[in-house]
Order: sequence, then C-alpha cells, then structure tokens
Amino acid sequence: EVQLVESGGGLVQPGGSLRLSCAASGFTFSNYEMNWVRQAPGKGLEWVSYISSSTGTIYYADSVKGRFTISRDNAKNSLYLQMNSLRAEDTAVYYCAREDGNSYGQFYFDYWGQGTLVTVSS
Amino acid sequence: QSVLTQPPSASGTPGQRVTISCSGSSSNIGSNTVNWYQQFPGTAPKLLIYKNDQRPSGVPDRFSGSKSGTSASLAISGLQSEDEADYYCAAWDDSLNGWVFGGGTKLTVL
Repeated sequence: EVQLVESGGGLVQPGGSLRLSCAASGFTFSNYEMNWVRQAPGKGLEWVSYISSSTGTIYYADSVKGRFTISRDNAKNSLYLQMNSLRAEDTAVYYCAREDGNSYGQFYFDYWGQGTLVTVSS
Repeated sequence: QSVLTQPPSASGTPGQRVTISCSGSSSNIGSNTVNWYQQFPGTAPKLLIYKNDQRPSGVPDRFSGSKSGTSASLAISGLQSEDEADYYCAAWDDSLNGWVFGGGTKLTVL
C-alpha cells in the first residue's frame, strides 16, 4: 500500500525556518518524481515545488523561489522541504504528492499525504 | 487569481448531471493533459480523473472528463449526496515550468 506521511509542521515566527519531511513507503521511491502542494486555510490548492526522481531537475513556484529548497534522499525514501524566511502568507497545510505518468505533459498526482500544518505567526 | 479558471460553486439535485468547467491557455491545458482532484473538508485531495478522461480504479463511472482546446470539463451524472466536495482541475504549464491549479469548485447537492 502506498503511503506518504508528512511531518515537521508547526508554529514559527515570521522570518523563521522549518523543515518538512515526507516519508514514503509501499513503492519504489527512487522511481518517482515528487511534489509539494500547499493549501492556505479556506483556500485552494497551490503547487510549491517539484523534484525529479534522480534530483536532476527541480522547479519552484515563483512565490517560494529563493526561500524554499526541495530535496530527497532515495536511500531513506524521504522527501524534504526546507523553508526559510517564512512569511504569514506561507501559512498552509503542506502536502507531498507522488507524480506518475509515462509521457511528457501527461503526468498526474496519484497519491497524496495527509498534510502537515505550517503556521507563520508572531 | 488562479492560472486555471473554474466556477467557484456548482449545485444540483440528486440524480441530476452537473458539469464543472476549467479554462486555461495554450501553455497549460492547450499543451498538456488535465487532471481533476476531489477533496472533502479536512482531508487530502484525491485523484479523480487523469489524462483528461481516465478514471483511476475505484472511481465510479458517473465521473467523466473531457478536454477541448484550452478548456476542460468534469461531468458528474446521477448526482449523489456523497459527491458534495471541492473539485480542482490541474495541468502542467510549459511557460511557468510548474503545475497550475484551478481555484476550485464547491459542489453542493441540494
């Protein structure tokens, strides 16, 4: 059974840092691209970052570029999101999502974690 | 505002057919396939439709998707009370080099 379990969320002051983790199980983690998607309270889904299976390719949303860093450890079946210079508008539930598909432009998020809440407030 | 445009709300009575639209541009829907996600309050999104019109196993055939040009639609036939949820469309954007979502549509079953 595919499982994605996020952790590391919490309350942090503006300007602070936090590192989120996503533990994957039930599939060969190193074969899949992964993403972080967030959802502010009462708002819609917002894509945050993508990392290829081999870490060769990384993308970020403009809203987090230069502040967030995505990484993965295939030996530990884990995905990470280092978040620095946090702002109030970063407050959201952060989901990790597995990306599947076999052709460019035909990918999709087939499994999502349960999410971890990040609150940025003084 | 979201890159993909969805109506904020939709509604129908049990048994009815409802459709939810998703409008984009040549760099996203016009170039790549569209996926739809269903989300219940307090839970993670779930894949509902992928590659425009494909249903994952376990998704009832009451749910169907289509795409034409730079727009896509999700149709739900034989509406049931348990279909009351938020629905999001998504596609890869070649210009932004990232995933873009619609703002979400809250479906109410009257």
